Amino acid sequence: QKEVEQNSGPLSVPEGAIASLNCTYSDRGSQSFFWYRQYSGKSPELIMFIYSNGDKEDGRFTAQLNKASQYVSLLIRDSQPSDSATYLCAVKEDNYGQNFVFGPGTRLSVLP
Amino acid sequence: DTGVSQNPRHKITKRGQNVTFRCDPISEHNRLYWYRQTLGQGPEFLTYFQNEAQLEKSRLLSDRFSAERPKGSFSTLEIQRTEQGDSAMYLCASSLAQGFPNSPLHFGNGTRLTVT
Repeated sequence: QKEVEQNSGPLSVPEGAIASLNCTYSDRGSQSFFWYRQYSGKSPELIMFIYSNGDKEDGRFTAQLNKASQYVSLLIRDSQPSDSATYLCAVKEDNYGQNFVFGPGTRLSVLP
Repeated sequence: DTGVSQNPRHKITKRGQNVTFRCDPISEHNRLYWYRQTLGQGPEFLTYFQNEAQLEKSRLLSDRFSAERPKGSFSTLEIQRTEQGDSAMYLCASSLAQGFPNSPLHFGNGTRLTVT
């Protein structure tokens, strides 16, 4: 059973701070990693994806991947109240099939 | 870009009734996925199609659930003899499979099912 684990939170940070969200996965064969943001009552929307070890930056978001430790993280710089949402980590085994396995999500609250 | 479209947005049904949901993926996407999500949980995989072929189905999926994707375009998810435990958000997503790397999932707005 492939598993993706996240701290359910809630994670509270003050406005302007860095929010750090973590995700671990069980399947060493996993190749692709995705972060989705989900507002209450809405569907998930893609923030970032990462395939290679190291960091990937996109605006205020940075995804970090360490395949040896089976760990992926998302950093949100200069957090805004509008970033308050649940962040879902998703893992895909390979690039030619298989489903995307989601973690339970971490609820982030950015306090004004 | 019309995005992934799901209908209906909400469905309330009585236990024991059958329900059917529809999903229209992004037109150029050849993969279509169904997920189920309950409060406080991440999306749970149900099944996925590549074109018209159903390639994988969750082992946790009851025989009461069936999905189709005729002609590789829209898809339907049917739940027969609904139970209260079926109450959830049913999410459809699509992606484009073309070598490395595959595109990520793009989700529709979901269908919220309430079984009374």
